[in-house]
Amino acid sequence: DGGITQSPKYLFRKEGQNVTLSCEQNLNHDAMYWYRQDPGQGLRLIYYSQIVNDFQKGDIAEGYSVSREKKESFPLTVTSAQKNPTAFYLCASRQPAGGGSNQPQHFGDGTRLSIL
Amino acid sequence: AQSVTQPDIHITVSEGASLELRCNYSYGATPYLFWYVQSPGQGLQLLLKYFSGDTLVQGIKGFEAEFKRSQSSFNLRKPSVHWSDAAEYFCAVGAQGGYSTLTFGKGTMLLVSP
Repeated sequence: DGGITQSPKYLFRKEGQNVTLSCEQNLNHDAMYWYRQDPGQGLRLIYYSQIVNDFQKGDIAEGYSVSREKKESFPLTVTSAQKNPTAFYLCASRQPAGGGSNQPQHFGDGTRLSIL
Repeated sequence: AQSVTQPDIHITVSEGASLELRCNYSYGATPYLFWYVQSPGQGLQLLLKYFSGDTLVQGIKGFEAEFKRSQSSFNLRKPSVHWSDAAEYFCAVGAQGGYSTLTFGKGTMLLVSP
């Protein structure tokens, strides 16, 4: 079945440590997105990528980095510069609009990151 | 800039009763609107979407939503709620076309009482 796989499901970070969250999709989608979810805050966009080797900052990119070396993969690194990383992280992907069709974003099951 | 307001943080509905979740958006052009549902610890599942045509859209699980341009609203409804509908619901708005990003509301938590 096609879908988006996020791993790990739970992740713990020590102070001063960088951690990387994995996101893989086999939907053949061009665009991929990373969101951060905090209780009562909805989803906030961290980074997105419309095509391989290209990505743009979202609303809350500080303290995060991404890469897009392959179409199916869009890993997110939470750096030590992110002082409040505890949150639920969601990855999404989408085909661009075309032929009069607008496609929704499809989501993975998320990674919960906590501080040790 | 686009924005979404979900005025109700929590709503409690009795099982079998009708449901309406409110969503108001701010966007300069014709919006692309969504409702997603999230169970605890899970990702978001698309319930329905609107981008043109009939302003009353049908979704999965018996949900429907009505786009009202004059009120900048896209409220979600269900005639009879089941206990399994208890979850958090998110409204989102985006620009039509291309690789547009989405702006999400802060969500409404639906509780279903027996």
